[in-house]
Amino acid sequence: NAGVTQTPKFRILKIGQSMTLQCTQDMNHNYMYWYRQDPGMGLKLIYYSVGAGITDKGEVPNGYNVSRSTTEDFPLRLELAAPSQTSVYFCASSYGAGGSETQYFGPGTRLLVL
Amino acid sequence: EDQVTQSPEALRLQEGESSSLNCSYTVSGLRGLFWYRQDPGKGPEFLFTLYSAGEEKEKERLKATLTKKESFLHITAPKPEDSATYLCAVQATSGSRLTFGEGTQLTVNP
Repeated sequence: NAGVTQTPKFRILKIGQSMTLQCTQDMNHNYMYWYRQDPGMGLKLIYYSVGAGITDKGEVPNGYNVSRSTTEDFPLRLELAAPSQTSVYFCASSYGAGGSETQYFGPGTRLLVL
Repeated sequence: EDQVTQSPEALRLQEGESSSLNCSYTVSGLRGLFWYRQDPGKGPEFLFTLYSAGEEKEKERLKATLTKKESFLHITAPKPEDSATYLCAVQATSGSRLTFGEGTQLTVNP
């Protein structure tokens, strides 16, 4: 099991450019999440999904979009990148069958918007 | 609104010097409290889940405890390899979301 994988590891974007951050999990988890982590801060939830075809907003969704067409993949789309989106982005997944479910995290994508 | 506050923000210990990290929380109804370890440049790594007040869990030199308002992560005789940022998060009974604290950066000097 690779667990949760994310690509790319690092990317530099110019203001106004767009990109997609990829996230794949091979644990057959139903729930998937996208977080951002700014320096010295905790993780903030951007979007999450409870299954294929179902997504919902988290705390900080503005400037981002997601889709979930398969159980395994949960890409995060940045449209019109802004310097405020400079951050480290983490994808996570959990089984989500009910009760307290541990979230497992990917290695992160470091994004710099200049 | 669920809230998590961790203290101290940073902690420096000498190898073998035991200490505790604090996680204070407010949540409408607690489904679980999670502790994660995060090394620089990596994603959070799961350590423990605590579900109810009075519960304790241990792993090597780490022991997590839970009350109705806070959790402690006790580190006994730490080693330099325990240096990392420790994150606390709560999950409310109303959903699957985690609310994270800002973390405690632990440095253990040899």
